[in-house]
Amino acid sequence: DADVTQTPRNRITKTGKRIMLECSQTKGHDRMYWYRQDPGLGLRLIYYSFDVKDINKGEISDGYSVSRQAQAKFSLSLESAIPNQTALYFCATSDPRGVETQYFGPGTRLLVL
Amino acid sequence: AQSVTQPDIHITVSEGASLELRCNYSYGATPYLFWYVQSPGQGLQLLLKYFSGDTLVQGIKGFEAEFKRSQSSFNLRKPSVHWSDAAEYFCAVGAGNTGFQKLVFGTGTRLLVSP
Repeated sequence: DADVTQTPRNRITKTGKRIMLECSQTKGHDRMYWYRQDPGLGLRLIYYSFDVKDINKGEISDGYSVSRQAQAKFSLSLESAIPNQTALYFCATSDPRGVETQYFGPGTRLLVL
Repeated sequence: AQSVTQPDIHITVSEGASLELRCNYSYGATPYLFWYVQSPGQGLQLLLKYFSGDTLVQGIKGFEAEFKRSQSSFNLRKPSVHWSDAAEYFCAVGAGNTGFQKLVFGTGTRLLVSP
């Protein structure tokens, strides 16, 4: 079984709709992240969370919100989706002990019409 | 601010030939450096990482990378490419305070393998 899972894997929605992307992990890591990937731009950090009570904005948080429901769950919401939020979204986790390494989920491909 | 440059958007290599993917970083202190691979329809998989010690690091799938401080580079190499290596490769630098390595990614290099 995968350590980091994301649901849904693919989603098509319309402009103005609210949508939630979910991430679950079984690695027992405290830290979780949301990134978006756009062609030619690499991955950019949206939000990150050190634990359930510690949530921080990344470089492109406008138009997004997050919820850390438990250590293992971190959800990303688009309150009112717009076409330029069409992208591939990745969740990641990390353990701060030792050399901190991020482990990624399989991604959610989102299309906003 | 830290940054990562991957100058090659696409690279085509014949199967069995050697491979080198370039990565240059900008960061004031000693960085943590990573290479990830993204196969079609898949998430990012860690190939290898460098944080200290021997500047030549070995990773999974026969990949290696060499950290060169004088050139601010961390190039990825493989002596003989297999068709299954076709994927997109991302270099990343982890930069920040002790205990939190915020990753900054390059824009990626797409590797095509020709028969």
